[in-house]
Amino acid sequence: GAVVSQHPSWVICKSGTSVKIECRSLDFQATTMFWYRQFPKQSLMLMATSNEGSKATYEQGVEKDKFLINHASLTLSTLTVTSAHPEDSSFYICSARDLDRDYEQYFGPGTRLTVT
Amino acid sequence: KNQVEQSPQSLIILEGKNCTLQCNYTVSPFSNLRWYKQDTGRGPVSLTIMTFSENTKSNGRYTATLDADTKQSSLHITASQLSDSASYICVVSDDYKLSFGAGTTVTVRA
Repeated sequence: GAVVSQHPSWVICKSGTSVKIECRSLDFQATTMFWYRQFPKQSLMLMATSNEGSKATYEQGVEKDKFLINHASLTLSTLTVTSAHPEDSSFYICSARDLDRDYEQYFGPGTRLTVT
Repeated sequence: KNQVEQSPQSLIILEGKNCTLQCNYTVSPFSNLRWYKQDTGRGPVSLTIMTFSENTKSNGRYTATLDADTKQSSLHITASQLSDSASYICVVSDDYKLSFGAGTTVTVRA
């Protein structure tokens, strides 16, 4: 089946630094990838939609200059949290859309970010 | 605003027992409804996907139903196992975006 990987699975960084999270579709091509954030005991919240070769579309309230998204290939999208603060600590999940499978979305395993 | 509401918020069941989770939605237009299982600290894993014309779909001990007229869905877990302890999320698609429910946390006890 379709597999989406994320790296790293967890990361701890100091306040003010930047951290990059990778999302890869391992066995299919994804022209569209999605980035979600999930706080404890809450459901996933869409942050942005990333289309290969174009600028990401951010949801209302999500700072595009803080959460930089790059989707340079059909199998890789990256989310960079710039100048991280403790309130950015969360579980970040990506999903990839498989056009060959009726637009099914497959989720990655998530990345736990802790900002100290 | 598209909404997906799930109930109950959480439940505890004994191993071997059955349980049913509910999902009501107001998403329009409707493309499909999905149930996901999310283990703690992991990404969601798809259990079932149903389109407008489907009213039931099974995946092992998981059976989902859909009533597109009343905009309700349910997920039934049969003969629960300890490994079923997780959050179950109802997700409705309008062809492009997914609307997520808050999830039902199921705890199975021996």
